[in-house]
Amino acid sequence: KAGVTQTPRYLIKTRGQQVTLSCSPISGHRSVSWYQQTPGQGLQFLFEYFSETQRNKGNFPGRFSGRQFSNSRSEMNVSTLELGDSALYLCASSLGFRGRTEAFFGQGTRLTVV
Amino acid sequence: DQQVKQNSPSLSVQEGRISILNCDYTNSMFDYFLWYKKYPAEGPTFLISISSIKDKNEDGRFTVFLNKSAKHLSLHIVPSQPGDSAVYFCAASGSNYQLIWGAGTKLIIKP
Repeated sequence: KAGVTQTPRYLIKTRGQQVTLSCSPISGHRSVSWYQQTPGQGLQFLFEYFSETQRNKGNFPGRFSGRQFSNSRSEMNVSTLELGDSALYLCASSLGFRGRTEAFFGQGTRLTVV
Repeated sequence: DQQVKQNSPSLSVQEGRISILNCDYTNSMFDYFLWYKKYPAEGPTFLISISSIKDKNEDGRFTVFLNKSAKHLSLHIVPSQPGDSAVYFCAASGSNYQLIWGAGTKLIIKP
């Protein structure tokens, strides 16, 4: 069974640009969550999609957005990049049902904003 | 307001001894708790979970204890091995399915 796949693995962008990250969940998983990890900050929750609908949202500015397609693949977009957006962005997929919330993570996309 | 807290940023333990990682939570509606392990440059991997109807769950060298009255859970690793050196995250969820994460504890196993 294939795991969670995130592309690209590494990305370098300049301030003001926008970026799109992709996540393919485990087959059969309908929930995809996105997290930002920066040194010392742990995992900061961005948003969660379930069956193409945003079900939960973290405390990030509107520059961070996402969507989920009918095949459960998800994309995350960050517009007007800032230096502080440099981080490891992790995607996690799960079945998404109560009591079955074990999440499986991809290897992440390392975004560097210069 | 942090709903899930891991108050120790790091922990150093001798190889072969017991490692105890702690996690506190504030939301009494949480009913499912998980521990994840993360190596550098990789995504976290699931270790062990516990439902609020239990107070202990064991899987090999890993045991999670839940004290609902104290809103506290702990992960015990016995015996600790060098490969256990990683960052450990605890997470909790309630009725909205969202996982709330602690900030992580870096475990260092000394040879």
